[in-house]
Amino acid sequence: DAMVIQNPRYQVTQFGKPVTLSCSQTLNHNVMYWYQQKSSQAPKLLFHYYDKDFNNEADTPDNFQSRRPNTSFCFLDIRSPGLGDAAMYLCATSSVGGNQPQHFGDGTRLSIL
Amino acid sequence: QKEVEQNSGPLSVPEGAIASLNCTYSDRGSQSFFWYRQYSGKSPELIMSIYSNGDKEDGRFTAQLNKASQYVSLLIRDSQPSDSATYLCAVTQGDMRFGAGTRLTVKP
Repeated sequence: DAMVIQNPRYQVTQFGKPVTLSCSQTLNHNVMYWYQQKSSQAPKLLFHYYDKDFNNEADTPDNFQSRRPNTSFCFLDIRSPGLGDAAMYLCATSSVGGNQPQHFGDGTRLSIL
Repeated sequence: QKEVEQNSGPLSVPEGAIASLNCTYSDRGSQSFFWYRQYSGKSPELIMSIYSNGDKEDGRFTAQLNKASQYVSLLIRDSQPSDSATYLCAVTQGDMRFGAGTRLTVKP
């Protein structure tokens, strides 16, 4: 089945220790998104790729970076995680056209010690 | 002003009843509207999309859109305990913007 896969499902890291979350998709969608979601809050868009074009939200901290080496894969790098970065990180994809639905992976829950 | 607003709930309905979830949005140019279901600790799952005014039915789910009032709703008929989840309203006009969700509890 075509899908969006996130690894790992759960990630624990230490305060200040870099961490990378990964996302892959078999949907062949052009657009990939990274969201941060904290408890009882709406998903917050961090950035998205339209093919290789990177689009950063204005309020995304500099601490957060992303890479998309090819159509199928996208990575979220958190360079120096703080306690406030503990959250669920969601990867989503959509086909071309801003009005298409987004399809989510299962998410990675990040904990900071 | 929040772009997409939902009543956070919790909304509690008995099994078999109709659950009605509401959403308002601020961008009059919004073109696409979605309802996602999110179980606790899980990711959002698309359950309905609607693009034009009126009703759209899919099984026990009906989405209703009124662009003049900037209002979209989701009705769940014959509610089941398995419908207990948070329902996120999402609206696009270019980017997709999510509401904070309404938590629904269906009591057996």
